[in-house]
Amino acid sequence: EAGVTQFPSHSVIEKGQTVTLRCDPISGHDNLYWYRRVMGKEIKFLLHFVKESKQDESGMPNNRFLAERTGGTYSTLKVQPAELEDSGVYFCASQTSVDSPLHFGNGTRLTVT
Amino acid sequence: GNSVTQMEGPVTLSEEAFLTINCTYTATGYPSLFWYVQYPGEGLQLLLKATKADDKGSNKGFEATYRKETTSFHLEKGSVQVSDSAVYFCALSDRSGNDMRFGAGTRLTVKP
Repeated sequence: EAGVTQFPSHSVIEKGQTVTLRCDPISGHDNLYWYRRVMGKEIKFLLHFVKESKQDESGMPNNRFLAERTGGTYSTLKVQPAELEDSGVYFCASQTSVDSPLHFGNGTRLTVT
Repeated sequence: GNSVTQMEGPVTLSEEAFLTINCTYTATGYPSLFWYVQYPGEGLQLLLKATKADDKGSNKGFEATYRKETTSFHLEKGSVQVSDSAVYFCALSDRSGNDMRFGAGTRLTVKP
């Protein structure tokens, strides 16, 4: 089966610009998560979708971040406007149920200059 | 709240050396413990896990034992290979991905 795919793999933007990251989970995985690793620190949870609904968005840093999962398939994470501290690697993960293994994508490396 | 602390890297070893990457945790309940590995250019992959005290997870020659008395889950391998070069993340979770807590990651480089 195809794994979790993320696009783009790298993005370099200037402060104040907008970037949209995309995640395609494994087909049939209702649970989708976004995580972020900033400056080589620990990977932190951002939010959790169950199908198209936001189950938990307690990790979203501020209102410059907007996540959507229309139709309950792929998800997008938009950063608008981007700030320098948003630089890092954004990971997406999916799972069939909360007790099943997490499958991670390769991540999107975002650099804000 | 729950948290994970793992040894800082980077760690550089020669091929066939013994590897230990320390991981300790703080948790209010009885979480499951994980080691994830990220090879260059790839996403995180589950390396091994343990779901209860005294369980030993193992995979690809790596082992880790869930030690409740010392709140530890140290990763070990008896003889590392160049292909083991990667970043290793210790993690815990009470149940699901939204309460997954990761350590900061330890970069391992194995030289021939």
